[in-house]
Amino acid sequence: EVQLVQSGAEVKKPGESLRISCKGSGYSFTSYWISWVRQMPGKGLEWMGRIDPSDSYTNYSPSFQGHVTISADKSISTAYLQWSSLKASDTAMYYCATLGVWGQGTTVTVSS
Amino acid sequence: QAVLTQPSSLSASPGASASLTCTLRSGINVGTYRIYWYQQKPGSPPQYLLRYKSDSDKQQGSGVPSRFSGSKDASANAGILLISGLQSEDEADYYCMIWHSSACVFGGGTKLTVL
Repeated sequence: EVQLVQSGAEVKKPGESLRISCKGSGYSFTSYWISWVRQMPGKGLEWMGRIDPSDSYTNYSPSFQGHVTISADKSISTAYLQWSSLKASDTAMYYCATLGVWGQGTTVTVSS
Repeated sequence: QAVLTQPSSLSASPGASASLTCTLRSGINVGTYRIYWYQQKPGSPPQYLLRYKSDSDKQQGSGVPSRFSGSKDASANAGILLISGLQSEDEADYYCMIWHSSACVFGGGTKLTVL
């Protein structure tokens, strides 16, 4: 069974850095791209970007390019989404997804 | 103009059919795209329902009932998710998605109410 398990909820202050994770299992991790999707409170789905875990090639939505970094460690079948300086507007649920399977989501709250 | 436009809400009665539309922006031809559909219930991640490009290029998500089906209306430049035999459990948000210019694009979502 394909599964994506994400790291737990985070509460951060503006300006802090953060990395959340997404661990894949039940499939060949390096064979399929993993995407990250944002869902702000009460809003729709927004694609942020994706990574090819085999070589860590990425492509980003123009809306998120330069604001986040997507990476992966294929040795532990894990993809990451990170911020160097969080803003209150980054408060949202973040999902990873591949092969039609979605992680359970990671809630990120940024508040002073 | 958004790449994908969905009506914000739709209501239908139990047992009836509901047709959810996903209209592509002018200049983007629905015929060339696989359209993916997702269902999201409150407090849960989206669930993959199906993808549809043509009758010869379609895929049903694992465990998704056959009363969920996809089609297209070329004249309206739209993808359609048809849900037949509506049940109360079908009440949810539904999102369409395409891959366009190497980017994934979601529609704004339709909130389906079954009443």
